[in-house]
Amino acid sequence: EVQLVESGGGLVKPGGSLRLSCAASGFTFSDTWMSWVRQAPGKGLEWLARIKSKGFGGTTDYAAPVKGRFTISRDDSKTTVFLEVNSLKTEDTAVYYCTAHISGTTFWGQGTLVTVSS
Amino acid sequence: DIVMTQTPLSLSVTPGQPASISCRSSQSPLHGDGKTYLHWYLQKPGQSPQLLIYEVSNRFSGVPDRFSGSGSGTDFTLKISRVEAEDVGVYYCMQVSQLPYSFGQGTKLEI
Repeated sequence: EVQLVESGGGLVKPGGSLRLSCAASGFTFSDTWMSWVRQAPGKGLEWLARIKSKGFGGTTDYAAPVKGRFTISRDDSKTTVFLEVNSLKTEDTAVYYCTAHISGTTFWGQGTLVTVSS
Repeated sequence: DIVMTQTPLSLSVTPGQPASISCRSSQSPLHGDGKTYLHWYLQKPGQSPQLLIYEVSNRFSGVPDRFSGSGSGTDFTLKISRVEAEDVGVYYCMQVSQLPYSFGQGTKLEI
């Protein structure tokens, strides 16, 4: 069974940083492309970043609004994907989801809440 | 960028009646490998999105057969043949064929 467990969210002041983690199991993590998606309170879904598997160069891609502030990375030995979020703004307040692109489908974790407030 | 537009944005359905949600893309979400990675999800209150349909028309494991997906080109549809109380929530289409990945605005289904 595919499992994705996010952690690392919390309350942070504007301008602050966080490192979100997503522990994966139930599939061959090293062969899997991973993404992060967020959902602001009461709003829709927004794709943030994707990282390919090492076999495809481990290439990263970002949505324009977060490019330069967010960094996605992976540790295949720990089957974990990370999202480093910097220079946080109040509008970054959201639930952050980790997703796995497996065999033509996309699986989601339960999310971790990031609240940016002074 | 591919813009996904869902209609309607809200839907009130009597149990046992059918429901249909449309998702139109600004350009075809056809991947270079020839497949169309257009998925449908249901997000229940307080939960993460759960996969219903992948690659336009493939029902995910465990999803009731009252759910079906169809479409091609830029027009896609999710149909529920007989709505049940447990089907309430927000339905999203999502394309992961081309970057940036994108979502419809969501359709809220109420009973």
